[in-house]
Amino acid sequence: QVQLQESGPGLVKPSETLSLTCTVSGGSISNYYWSWVRQPPGEGLEWIGYVFYTGSTNYNPSLKSRVTISVDTSKNQFSLKLSAVTAADTAVYYCARGLRAYTYGPWDYWGQGSLVIVSS
Amino acid sequence: EIVLTQSPATLSLSPGERATLSCRASQSVSNYLAWYQQKRDQAPRLLIYDTSNRATGIPARFSGSGSATDFTLTISSLEPEDFAVYYCQQRYSWPPTFGGGTKVEI
Repeated sequence: QVQLQESGPGLVKPSETLSLTCTVSGGSISNYYWSWVRQPPGEGLEWIGYVFYTGSTNYNPSLKSRVTISVDTSKNQFSLKLSAVTAADTAVYYCARGLRAYTYGPWDYWGQGSLVIVSS
Repeated sequence: EIVLTQSPATLSLSPGERATLSCRASQSVSNYLAWYQQKRDQAPRLLIYDTSNRATGIPARFSGSGSATDFTLTISSLEPEDFAVYYCQQRYSWPPTFGGGTKVEI
């Protein structure tokens, strides 16, 4: 059974960089697209971007200038960096696996979510 | 980007009743529409993909239909565990987008 687990700081100061890592267990990171999706408290879902196991990426244009997603196949992990954060970036951040070889979802396995609060 | 509009925002029903949730796209998404269930403080759970295909382990009481811009998720007979928020999501064009959600409450 594939499992995903987010890790990283739960509190980030405004203007700094948010960093999260997703560790994949129970399966290989190869041959799938791995995404980050976020959800502000009480709001809906927003796709942030994906990384393929080869390292190729694609980002939501609304965040593209601030986002970097990378993969480390040796550790079965992929990571998110979001720079110049503001309070609007406060959200639960989920990592997720794309079903089959689909790029833009749907996502069949999700991490439990990591709440990141942007505050000084 | 494609905007998905879900209706109603809230659906108040009783266990055993039929639930019909709607998702309308601002332009055609072909059949590339998925549905998720999200319970409080949990990650979304994939129910239906490509309009009508149930994901692994999803009970037969969940079904999806539609095409192009109009889609429906039907729960034939609500179980107590089905009361949650439901989101639709399109993968037809970049960036993938989600609807605003429908809350199914008792």
